[in-house]
Amino acid sequence: DTAVSQTPKYLVTQMGNDKSIKCEQNLGHDTMYWYKQDSKKFLKIMFSYNNKELIINETVPNRFSPKSPDKAHLNLHINSLELGDSAVYFCASSPQGFSYNEQFFGPGTRLTVL
Amino acid sequence: ELKVEQNPLFLSMQEGKNYTIYCNYSTTSDRLYWYRQDPGKSLESLFVLLSNGAVKQEGRLMASLDTKARLSTLHITAAVHDLSATYFCAVLSTGGTSYGKLTFGQGTILTVHP
Repeated sequence: DTAVSQTPKYLVTQMGNDKSIKCEQNLGHDTMYWYKQDSKKFLKIMFSYNNKELIINETVPNRFSPKSPDKAHLNLHINSLELGDSAVYFCASSPQGFSYNEQFFGPGTRLTVL
Repeated sequence: ELKVEQNPLFLSMQEGKNYTIYCNYSTTSDRLYWYRQDPGKSLESLFVLLSNGAVKQEGRLMASLDTKARLSTLHITAAVHDLSATYFCAVLSTGGTSYGKLTFGQGTILTVHP
């Protein structure tokens, strides 16, 4: 049983294109996140949604737009891709809001912008 | 802004030896998490530490939290090759404008060799 799933696993695209990454969790969690892991393995939060409501929005270019159609899904759309967007993007989810916050991560999407 | 620092960043160990990874953080929190990441894989939750003095053990790994010193340790006992991975600590912001945000350390790349 896949707890947090992401598609696609790999994404190779040209600069300037628009792409989306999808995330789904079947854990019944209320909160979902997007993280970016750069080439040095540094992990940084981008966005967090709680029950479809945006609650954390880090300093991320507005070319990145998250969308949560329901609490089990959080998609990430990226416009006008740049070379610096190349990274691994992880989706995560957690139960019980922030009081406990153990986060469960998806398998990651490796984005390569050429 | 919360800062989380791990050391060492690289750790090469012999099998059978003991060692400790340190995680220091800059502002008050009593929520700390340890994750493991294998190359090309997702993050696996190892420990959730939710109070001062918390100690958790799983196999050859033991994690502790000292909220007064703003320090967590991950102790490795009698290392085996299977423990080779990157280990991250992450601290939850429990106040202020960053409430609910998880900040990761840089990661410690552990290599265990015969």
